[in-house]
Amino acid sequence: DTEVTQTPKHLVMGMTNKKSLKCEQHMGHRAMYWYKQKAKKPPELMFVYSYEKLSINESVPSRFSPECPNSSLLNLHLHALQPEDSALYLCASKGLGSGSKNEQFFGPGTRLTVL
Amino acid sequence: SQQGEEDPQALSIQEGENATMNCSYKTSINNLQWYRQNSGRGLVHLILIRSNEREKHSGRLRVTLDTSKKSSSLLITASRAADTASYFCATDAHRSNYKLTFGKGTLLTVNP
Repeated sequence: DTEVTQTPKHLVMGMTNKKSLKCEQHMGHRAMYWYKQKAKKPPELMFVYSYEKLSINESVPSRFSPECPNSSLLNLHLHALQPEDSALYLCASKGLGSGSKNEQFFGPGTRLTVL
Repeated sequence: SQQGEEDPQALSIQEGENATMNCSYKTSINNLQWYRQNSGRGLVHLILIRSNEREKHSGRLRVTLDTSKKSSSLLITASRAADTASYFCATDAHRSNYKLTFGKGTLLTVNP
């Protein structure tokens, strides 16, 4: 299984809502990533988890809260978002350790709209 | 911050023609990767070239790397309409702690 899955595919939420994005992989990858991508722009790194511990937070506002419950799952909890947070949110994973390839495997993304 | 800069930003060609996209970066790298993204979808890894390599081939793809100029190029030969997508270079900088930095991307349109 070389797939990264993300749910939901689309999400519309109000600024007072709380929602979560989910990501799952079963490739045994121990690095997992959240990216934010605006239209016609490259992905921007938000968070990196390695061995289930947060290793990089790219100064992301606290209204985004990541969680890595186990080595296969990655969540992004959303609260009190702003309309400018509307974007495609991409999850990715990568193998770590000797013999691992450097490529990242991406999920299809969640298209988030904040009203 | 975005390290890579691709040019052109957009490229439109006819099926069967070759497409060349360029990428420049600023800092020392371990490797450089190219990814493809169909509209509104996730990215797909195409090819990786290490800092000690100068050229690499994969099917219809040819990647070159010039570390002295901090630049790379991606050549797609005999293009097909299905190659229509955005192409991003991404650098894995030395001591990056698993972090990839993506360039701005080239939108390639292959007309049938």
